[in-house]
Amino acid sequence: GDSVTQMEGPVTLSEEAFLTINCTYTATGYPSLFWYVQYPGEGLQLLLKATKADDKGSNKGFEATYRKETTSFHLEKGSVQVSDSAVYFCALRDYGGSQGNLIFGKGTKLSVKP
Amino acid sequence: GAGVSQTPSNKVTEKGKYVELRCDPISGHTALYWYRQSLGQGPEFLIYFQGTGAADDSGLPNDRFFAVRPEGSVSTLKIQRTERGDSAVYLCASSQGGGPNYSGNTIYFGEGSWLTVV
Repeated sequence: GDSVTQMEGPVTLSEEAFLTINCTYTATGYPSLFWYVQYPGEGLQLLLKATKADDKGSNKGFEATYRKETTSFHLEKGSVQVSDSAVYFCALRDYGGSQGNLIFGKGTKLSVKP
Repeated sequence: GAGVSQTPSNKVTEKGKYVELRCDPISGHTALYWYRQSLGQGPEFLIYFQGTGAADDSGLPNDRFFAVRPEGSVSTLKIQRTERGDSAVYLCASSQGGGPNYSGNTIYFGEGSWLTVV
Protein backbone atom coordinates (compact mmCIF):
# COMPACT_ATOMS: atom_id res chain seq x y z
CA GLY A 1 0.00 0.00 0.00
CA ASP A 2 0.85 3.66 -0.04
CA SER A 3 3.42 4.87 2.47
CA VAL A 4 5.69 7.76 3.37
CA THR A 5 9.13 7.45 4.95
CA GLN A 6 10.86 10.47 6.37
CA MET A 7 14.12 10.88 8.23
CA GLU A 8 13.88 10.33 11.91
CA GLY A 9 14.60 13.10 14.30
CA PRO A 10 15.11 14.93 16.35
CA VAL A 11 17.14 17.33 14.28
CA THR A 12 18.96 20.11 16.12
CA LEU A 13 20.45 23.02 14.20
CA SER A 14 21.90 26.40 14.96
CA GLU A 15 20.14 29.49 13.67
CA GLU A 16 20.96 30.27 10.01
CA ALA A 17 22.03 26.68 9.30
CA PHE A 18 20.86 24.81 6.18
CA LEU A 19 18.03 22.35 6.66
CA THR A 20 17.20 19.17 4.76
CA ILE A 21 14.54 16.72 5.88
CA ASN A 22 14.39 13.69 3.61
CA CYS A 23 11.09 12.18 2.50
CA THR A 24 10.45 9.27 0.14
CA TYR A 25 7.15 7.71 -0.80
CA THR A 26 5.49 4.63 -2.25
CA ALA A 27 2.23 5.05 -4.14
CA THR A 28 0.14 3.01 -6.56
CA GLY A 29 -1.40 6.01 -8.34
CA TYR A 30 -0.43 9.59 -9.07
CA PRO A 31 -0.01 11.25 -5.72
CA SER A 32 0.11 14.84 -4.68
CA LEU A 33 2.79 15.51 -2.06
CA PHE A 34 2.66 17.76 0.98
CA TRP A 35 4.63 19.02 3.91
CA TYR A 36 2.65 19.84 7.03
CA VAL A 37 4.08 21.58 10.09
CA GLN A 38 2.96 21.36 13.70
CA TYR A 39 4.23 24.18 15.90
CA PRO A 40 4.21 23.63 19.68
CA GLY A 41 0.67 23.80 21.00
CA GLU A 42 -0.88 24.27 17.58
CA GLY A 43 -2.65 22.15 14.99
CA LEU A 44 -1.26 20.79 11.75
CA GLN A 45 -0.78 23.44 9.09
CA LEU A 46 -0.10 22.97 5.41
CA LEU A 47 3.39 24.29 4.68
CA LEU A 48 3.67 23.54 0.97
CA LYS A 49 2.53 21.13 -1.70
CA ALA A 50 3.26 19.84 -5.19
CA THR A 51 0.68 18.09 -7.34
CA LYS A 52 2.76 16.64 -10.17
CA ALA A 53 6.27 15.53 -11.04
CA ASP A 54 8.94 18.26 -11.17
CA ASP A 55 6.67 20.77 -9.41
CA LYS A 56 8.34 22.78 -6.67
CA GLY A 57 6.34 23.81 -3.63
CA SER A 58 7.56 26.76 -1.60
CA ASN A 59 6.46 28.79 1.40
CA LYS A 60 8.13 30.77 4.21
CA GLY A 61 11.58 30.08 2.71
CA PHE A 62 10.99 26.32 2.62
CA GLU A 63 11.10 24.41 -0.67
CA ALA A 64 10.50 20.87 -1.84
CA THR A 65 10.63 19.42 -5.36
CA TYR A 66 8.50 16.47 -6.47
CA ARG A 67 10.98 13.95 -7.90
CA LYS A 68 9.16 11.05 -9.50
CA GLU A 69 12.36 9.28 -10.60
CA THR A 70 13.57 9.02 -7.00
CA THR A 71 10.07 9.05 -5.41
CA SER A 72 11.22 11.83 -3.12
CA PHE A 73 10.00 15.17 -1.79
CA HIS A 74 12.82 16.45 0.43
CA LEU A 75 12.19 19.62 2.44
CA GLU A 76 14.90 22.30 2.40
CA LYS A 77 15.49 25.74 3.84
CA GLY A 78 18.63 27.78 3.36
CA SER A 79 18.69 29.54 6.72
CA VAL A 80 16.56 28.31 9.60
CA GLN A 81 15.27 30.48 12.41
CA VAL A 82 14.37 29.68 16.01
CA SER A 83 10.72 30.15 15.04
CA ASP A 84 11.02 27.19 12.64
CA SER A 85 11.23 24.82 15.59
CA ALA A 86 8.34 22.40 15.07
CA VAL A 87 7.47 18.90 13.93
CA TYR A 88 7.40 18.46 10.14
CA PHE A 89 5.27 15.81 8.44
CA CYS A 90 5.62 14.64 4.87
CA ALA A 91 2.36 13.35 3.38
CA LEU A 92 0.79 12.15 0.15
CA ARG A 93 -2.67 11.94 -1.35
CA ASP A 94 -2.98 9.15 -3.88
CA TYR A 95 -6.07 9.59 -6.03
CA GLY A 96 -5.64 6.20 -7.61
CA GLY A 97 -4.78 4.22 -4.51
CA SER A 98 -5.80 5.19 -1.02
CA GLN A 99 -8.96 7.04 -2.13
CA GLY A 100 -7.25 10.37 -1.77
CA ASN A 101 -6.89 10.39 1.98
CA LEU A 102 -3.71 11.85 3.41
CA ILE A 103 -1.01 9.33 4.28
CA PHE A 104 1.56 10.77 6.68
CA GLY A 105 5.12 10.00 7.62
CA LYS A 106 6.05 9.71 11.29
CA GLY A 107 7.23 13.29 11.56
CA THR A 108 10.61 14.91 12.15
CA LYS A 109 11.10 17.19 15.12
CA LEU A 110 13.29 20.20 14.39
CA SER A 111 14.85 22.29 17.14
CA VAL A 112 16.70 25.47 16.18
CA LYS A 113 19.05 26.96 18.76
CA PRO A 114 19.91 30.67 18.83
CA GLY B 1 -15.84 29.77 12.08
CA ALA B 2 -12.38 30.77 10.97
CA GLY B 3 -10.90 27.33 11.41
CA VAL B 4 -11.69 23.76 12.37
CA SER B 5 -12.79 23.68 16.00
CA GLN B 6 -12.53 20.61 18.21
CA THR B 7 -13.83 20.00 21.71
CA PRO B 8 -12.78 19.03 24.25
CA SER B 9 -9.12 19.89 23.83
CA ASN B 10 -8.25 17.42 26.56
CA LYS B 11 -10.18 14.48 27.96
CA VAL B 12 -9.15 12.03 30.65
CA THR B 13 -11.41 9.03 31.05
CA GLU B 14 -11.37 5.70 32.81
CA LYS B 15 -10.93 2.44 30.97
CA GLY B 16 -14.29 1.11 29.86
CA LYS B 17 -16.04 4.47 29.69
CA TYR B 18 -17.76 6.03 26.67
CA VAL B 19 -16.30 9.16 25.05
CA GLU B 20 -17.56 11.66 22.48
CA LEU B 21 -15.30 14.06 20.62
CA ARG B 22 -16.79 16.92 18.65
CA CYS B 23 -15.62 18.63 15.46
CA ASP B 24 -16.96 21.83 13.93
CA PRO B 25 -15.50 22.19 10.41
CA ILE B 26 -14.82 25.33 8.46
CA SER B 27 -18.10 26.82 7.31
CA GLY B 28 -19.07 25.58 3.86
CA HIS B 29 -16.66 22.63 3.83
CA THR B 30 -18.51 19.51 2.77
CA ALA B 31 -15.66 17.05 3.31
CA LEU B 32 -14.73 16.12 6.89
CA TYR B 33 -12.02 13.76 8.09
CA TRP B 34 -11.01 12.18 11.38
CA TYR B 35 -7.43 11.14 12.04
CA ARG B 36 -5.69 9.67 15.10
CA GLN B 37 -2.14 10.60 16.08
CA SER B 38 -0.33 8.48 18.61
CA LEU B 39 2.77 9.76 20.40
CA GLY B 40 5.74 9.91 18.06
CA GLN B 41 3.70 8.93 15.01
CA GLY B 42 2.12 10.70 12.10
CA PRO B 43 -1.66 11.05 11.88
CA GLU B 44 -3.53 7.94 10.73
CA PHE B 45 -6.77 8.13 8.77
CA LEU B 46 -9.94 6.96 10.51
CA ILE B 47 -13.00 8.09 8.52
CA TYR B 48 -14.08 10.53 5.83
CA PHE B 49 -17.50 12.16 5.36
CA GLN B 50 -18.84 13.78 2.24
CA GLY B 51 -21.87 15.68 3.46
CA THR B 52 -23.85 13.54 5.90
CA GLY B 53 -22.61 10.15 4.75
CA ALA B 54 -19.45 8.28 5.65
CA ALA B 55 -17.78 7.85 2.27
CA ASP B 56 -14.85 5.86 3.67
CA ASP B 57 -14.64 4.36 7.15
CA SER B 58 -11.86 1.91 6.37
CA GLY B 59 -9.54 3.43 8.98
CA LEU B 60 -11.76 2.81 12.00
CA PRO B 61 -9.81 0.26 14.06
CA ASN B 62 -12.80 -1.75 15.36
CA ASP B 63 -16.52 -1.54 16.11
CA ARG B 64 -15.95 0.43 19.29
CA PHE B 65 -15.33 3.45 17.11
CA PHE B 66 -18.18 5.24 15.36
CA ALA B 67 -18.67 8.68 13.87
CA VAL B 68 -21.70 10.66 12.74
CA ARG B 69 -22.37 13.87 10.88
CA PRO B 70 -26.18 14.11 10.87
CA GLU B 71 -26.59 17.55 9.32
CA GLY B 72 -23.50 17.64 7.14
CA SER B 73 -21.64 20.07 9.37
CA VAL B 74 -20.64 19.16 12.94
CA SER B 75 -19.31 15.64 13.45
CA THR B 76 -18.98 13.52 16.57
CA LEU B 77 -16.50 10.69 16.99
CA LYS B 78 -17.76 8.16 19.51
CA ILE B 79 -15.61 5.61 21.30
CA GLN B 80 -17.24 2.88 23.37
CA ARG B 81 -15.61 0.82 26.12
CA THR B 82 -12.40 2.83 25.91
CA GLU B 83 -9.07 1.05 26.27
CA ARG B 84 -5.68 2.43 27.30
CA GLY B 85 -4.49 1.90 23.73
CA ASP B 86 -7.06 4.45 22.55
CA SER B 87 -5.00 7.21 24.18
CA ALA B 88 -3.97 9.58 21.38
CA VAL B 89 -4.71 12.95 19.81
CA TYR B 90 -7.80 12.78 17.64
CA LEU B 91 -7.58 15.23 14.76
CA CYS B 92 -10.46 16.52 12.71
CA ALA B 93 -9.97 18.15 9.32
CA SER B 94 -12.15 19.58 6.59
CA SER B 95 -11.94 20.62 2.96
CA GLN B 96 -14.17 22.17 0.33
CA GLY B 97 -16.55 20.17 -1.86
CA GLY B 98 -15.15 17.51 -4.10
CA GLY B 99 -13.57 15.51 -1.30
CA PRO B 100 -10.20 13.83 -1.39
CA ASN B 101 -10.35 13.01 -5.10
CA TYR B 102 -10.11 16.65 -6.03
CA SER B 103 -6.45 17.61 -6.06
CA GLY B 104 -7.16 21.30 -5.57
CA ASN B 105 -8.66 20.86 -2.12
CA THR B 106 -6.44 21.75 0.80
CA ILE B 107 -7.24 19.82 3.96
CA TYR B 108 -7.33 22.04 7.07
CA PHE B 109 -6.78 20.53 10.50
CA GLY B 110 -8.08 21.43 13.93
CA GLU B 111 -5.85 21.48 17.00
CA GLY B 112 -7.03 18.07 18.09
CA SER B 113 -8.60 16.45 21.12
CA TRP B 114 -6.06 14.79 23.40
CA LEU B 115 -7.65 11.64 24.87
CA THR B 116 -6.04 9.87 27.81
CA VAL B 117 -7.53 6.60 29.02
CA VAL B 118 -6.40 5.63 32.51
